[in-house]
Amino acid sequence: SAVISQKPSRDICQRGTSLTIQCQVDSQVTMMFWYRQQPGQSLTLIATANQGSEATYESGFVIDKFPISRPNLTFSTLTVSNMSPEDSSIYLCSVDKGMNTEAFFGQGTRLTVV
Amino acid sequence: QKEVEQNSGPLSVPEGAIASLNCTYSDRGSQSFFWYRQYSGKSPELIMSIYSNGDKEDGRFTAQLNKASQYVSLLIRDSQPSDSATYLCAVSGGSYIPTFGRGTSLIVHP
Repeated sequence: SAVISQKPSRDICQRGTSLTIQCQVDSQVTMMFWYRQQPGQSLTLIATANQGSEATYESGFVIDKFPISRPNLTFSTLTVSNMSPEDSSIYLCSVDKGMNTEAFFGQGTRLTVV
Repeated sequence: QKEVEQNSGPLSVPEGAIASLNCTYSDRGSQSFFWYRQYSGKSPELIMSIYSNGDKEDGRFTAQLNKASQYVSLLIRDSQPSDSATYLCAVSGGSYIPTFGRGTSLIVHP
């Protein structure tokens, strides 16, 4: 397993501002993912954070809106830029060690945009 | 497009009964299958993984996989009110990126 520290756990932000969410893992991992989960919905993959290169974004998500960094094998950030109320959601960091192994999740960040 | 289908529920069972949760998937190349439990306001936590056809038991939980039918299930024996949660099925294959179902809400009533 992996111990994942995600912060902040929650935040209330003004529209038009940006929020950066951090994800720290206690061991090196191959794969790091960022998900969004809207109320009552399942997980939607935003992007795969690639160490040393640009993130791979899923359809409907763009780098200008959700810039991602991954400077090493234990840390990643997701920024939600120019926020609007529609960005209110839970954002989850997830890691696994590749090769179709199980994924583990951080505690999540509950974001409310007002 | 890879799809993972689950009945959203809610599935309501009495305390002590067996809860049966089902999941189907579209990608025949899928190799790994997972069940996660998610309590309201919390992040998903892994409860079972299964990689080969048949049954895998862990305490009160049994995962069942049938690759020919592209079907995976989770049985919870002696269901408790504390089992009330949303159960997410996840499947991964060649891309190594898991695909999650929408989840089934389980309610265990006393």
